[in-house]
Amino acid sequence: DQQVKQNSPSLSVQEGRISILNCDYTNSMFDYFLWYKKYPAEGPTFLISISSIKDKNEDGRFTVFLNKSAKHLSLHIVPSQPGDSAVYFCAATTNTNAGKSTFGDGTTLTVKP
Amino acid sequence: EPEVTQTPSHQVTQMGQEVILRCVPISNHLYFYWYRQILGQKVEFLVSFYNNEISEKSEIFDDQFSVERPDGSNFTLKIRSTKLEDSAMYFCASSEALAGVGELFFGEGSRLTVL
Repeated sequence: DQQVKQNSPSLSVQEGRISILNCDYTNSMFDYFLWYKKYPAEGPTFLISISSIKDKNEDGRFTVFLNKSAKHLSLHIVPSQPGDSAVYFCAATTNTNAGKSTFGDGTTLTVKP
Repeated sequence: EPEVTQTPSHQVTQMGQEVILRCVPISNHLYFYWYRQILGQKVEFLVSFYNNEISEKSEIFDDQFSVERPDGSNFTLKIRSTKLEDSAMYFCASSEALAGVGELFFGEGSRLTVL
């Protein structure tokens, strides 16, 4: 049962354009969502998060949008840079089950110069 | 910048052998975790640890697995009798608060290869 799903295994965008990475979840108990970035041979690095009481959170070039009714969230990166090329994981957790994050499969983003 | 460190970076072992993976979490963090990623698959939660005891574990974390904080700095994952399917990248993570309200800081991972 895939509770967190990233349907696009890969995404390629041109430098300077917007990258939009999508994530869907099925467990309505999730109330906190995070995006991690992972380079090869490194551990995931936290990027940005959003609580279920919000629908948007912005941090520099990164914005996460949450649509609770659709159980969908997205990460927008604008403008995209070649250094953003990495695997992006969406993760979700619950306050009642805090400490256990459920990860999606990841989306490999390639930003072309 | 403080970071989570893991050793070894790569361990090769024979099936049935015991393996201990070591982690030094960020010093002021109180919550510790192990995750794993089998090649080509998603990052999976194994266990969380707080106040010297397991606070949550997944169905993957069976009796073959154990965790320990033997001193004030190390956090270890032991696999008692390794199986081929234990081959994976194991990530240690720590956080200041429960992961519901704070992000996880991951180490670079320990690659375990079971032959």
